[in-house]
Amino acid sequence: AQSVAQPEDQVNVAEGNPLTVKCTYSVSGNPYLFWYVQYPNRGLQFLLKYITGDNLVKGSYGFEAEFNKSQTSFHLKKPSALVSDSALYFCAVRDKSTSNTGKLIFGQGTTLQVKP
Amino acid sequence: ETGVTQSPTHLIKTRGQQVTLRCSSQSGHNTVSWYQQALGQGPQFIFQYYREEENGRGNFPPRFSGLQFPNYSSELNVNALELDDSALYLCASSLDVSPDTQYFGPGTRLTVL
Repeated sequence: AQSVAQPEDQVNVAEGNPLTVKCTYSVSGNPYLFWYVQYPNRGLQFLLKYITGDNLVKGSYGFEAEFNKSQTSFHLKKPSALVSDSALYFCAVRDKSTSNTGKLIFGQGTTLQVKP
Repeated sequence: ETGVTQSPTHLIKTRGQQVTLRCSSQSGHNTVSWYQQALGQGPQFIFQYYREEENGRGNFPPRFSGLQFPNYSSELNVNALELDDSALYLCASSLDVSPDTQYFGPGTRLTVL
């Protein structure tokens, strides 16, 4: 069965420091991988995706993520955190080889807290 | 902003009642997916509509139903509301059924008392 794990409920970093939000996945075929961010009382905003090609993917607001097939991971990173990055982050996967729909499987979410 | 709109923003219903939530997709998008996000959880896929027909369904009972209209807007209907139906309901629009990216609306917060 497809699944996504975000092992940390919360990540705390100081402004200006690098941040990492972890994600591991399990699919039977080849994955499409996504990161979304959710601010309070808002919907999900798309950050970045991995479909194929270069394992390092760059997205919105200076975020990037690295696809690691052997470790089945897709960790979200940013070199220098901003207080405004504080939000709830979701990793999601779609098994492109077995699904004829856009069904996304989401992790439980990780709250990122960036302190001044 | 994604261009995906949902209405209403908030809704309070009583157990046993019925509710209809609405979604307008981004211009040019012909596919709408609905997700339920319970408090403290990640979104869960309810179903997808493509060209006015259901195209895939998650693990939700038949009292969750939907419609898609010729202009690609969509409705989510929930009958016989239960307390556990309290959640944020998100719709996502995309270009085609197996898209690279889905774009989410702001959601409708449903509270069932």
